[in-house]
Amino acid sequence: DTAVSQTPKYLVTQMGNDKSIKCEQNLGHDTMYWYKQDSKKFLKIMFSYNNKELIINETVPNRFSPKSPDKAHLNLHINSLELGDSAVYFCASSYSGPKDTQYFGPGTRLTVL
Amino acid sequence: GESVGLHLPTLSVQEGDNSIINCAYSNSASDYFIWYKQESGKGPQFIIDIRSNMDKRQGQRVTVLLNKTVKHLSLQIAATQPGDSAVYFCAENGAAGNKLTFGGGTRVLVKP
Repeated sequence: DTAVSQTPKYLVTQMGNDKSIKCEQNLGHDTMYWYKQDSKKFLKIMFSYNNKELIINETVPNRFSPKSPDKAHLNLHINSLELGDSAVYFCASSYSGPKDTQYFGPGTRLTVL
Repeated sequence: GESVGLHLPTLSVQEGDNSIINCAYSNSASDYFIWYKQESGKGPQFIIDIRSNMDKRQGQRVTVLLNKTVKHLSLQIAATQPGDSAVYFCAENGAAGNKLTFGGGTRVLVKP
């Protein structure tokens, strides 16, 4: 059984398009996260939600809008995609907060052409 | 400001030898540290963690050492196996307490 799942695995799109990435966790965790990993493997947090409420927004452009319909889901919508948005996006979850073990999804590789 | 970094970007290890991956951090208020392993095409996978009230913690073939005096963290892998080939990240939960800050990663290559 997949603990943290993301769809799609790969996403190739043109500049200016709008796209969404979905994330679901079946671990019963309260907190979910979005991370961006660049081409140099650097991982940086973008957002975190605790029980559907936004906790962290790490100076991410407002073209990125997370949405948490319930505590098991955290989706990421990106408007007006730019070349610099190309990266691997990881969803993660933890029991209650960042001092609990975070479990990561398999990642979504976004390529903006 | 907060920063977490690694000394060696790539570590080549002979199969069966021990591996040591190092990590420096700058925030003396950090109280929780984690090591993650990321295999190619996969998400980071938790290996081991340590809190600041400890200086050593052991898992299965892995040991994490924390030296708060010099703000240094290391991961030791005993009897390195081909399956240990991956990128390893250290991460810290700093003063803000609400997020993990990841280091830049070290690639470990295990030679047969």
